[in-house]
Amino acid sequence: AQSVSQHNHHVILSEAASLELGCNYSYGGTVNLFWYVQYPGQHLQLLLKYFSGDPLVKGIKGFEAEFIKSKFSFNLRKPSVQWSDTAEYFCAVNGNTGGFKTIFGAGTRLFVKA
Amino acid sequence: GAGVSQTPSNKVTEKGKYVELRCDPISGHTALYWYRQSLGQGPEFLIYFQGTGAADDSGLPNDRFFAVRPEGSVSTLKIQRTERGDSAVYLCASSARGQGDTQYFGPGTRLTVL
Repeated sequence: AQSVSQHNHHVILSEAASLELGCNYSYGGTVNLFWYVQYPGQHLQLLLKYFSGDPLVKGIKGFEAEFIKSKFSFNLRKPSVQWSDTAEYFCAVNGNTGGFKTIFGAGTRLFVKA
Repeated sequence: GAGVSQTPSNKVTEKGKYVELRCDPISGHTALYWYRQSLGQGPEFLIYFQGTGAADDSGLPNDRFFAVRPEGSVSTLKIQRTERGDSAVYLCASSARGQGDTQYFGPGTRLTVL
């Protein structure tokens, strides 16, 4: 079955700490991978995406993610978080099988202490 | 420019009633998605439109749910005989062409079935 698993539901960090949010997926075929973010009171918005090519993808606000095909993973990283990174983060996958569904993980709530 | 808009922002209804939720996508976007998000979960795919046609409706939970997009722009999600379990935030997203493109999300409609 197609699925996305996010390992941590809640993460609390102090400012300047490094961040890594885990994401593993189960999906047959060629995949497109996404990280979306929802800041408090705002809409879901795209942080970064991977379609093909360089498995290390850089997104907005200093975030990056690495696609490791052998591990079915697409972990999100940021070297030094800021208070303004407090938000909920969703990993998602779609691709060339399974119709046109985009499958989202359950999300990780990040709280950054100032 | 204008983003995706959804109306109403909140809808409270009684069990057994019929509701319609509206989505106005970004102008020119041919792809439109509906998702349902329950508390503590990520968005759950419901249906995908490419133009006027539903290219994938495999996420609709049962035949009480129906969606239309008659002119390839505005879409309406219709729920008949609502049940308490239908309570959730219903999200709409649009993208320029299809699943490989960034999806732009609306603010959602919070549906509460009493």
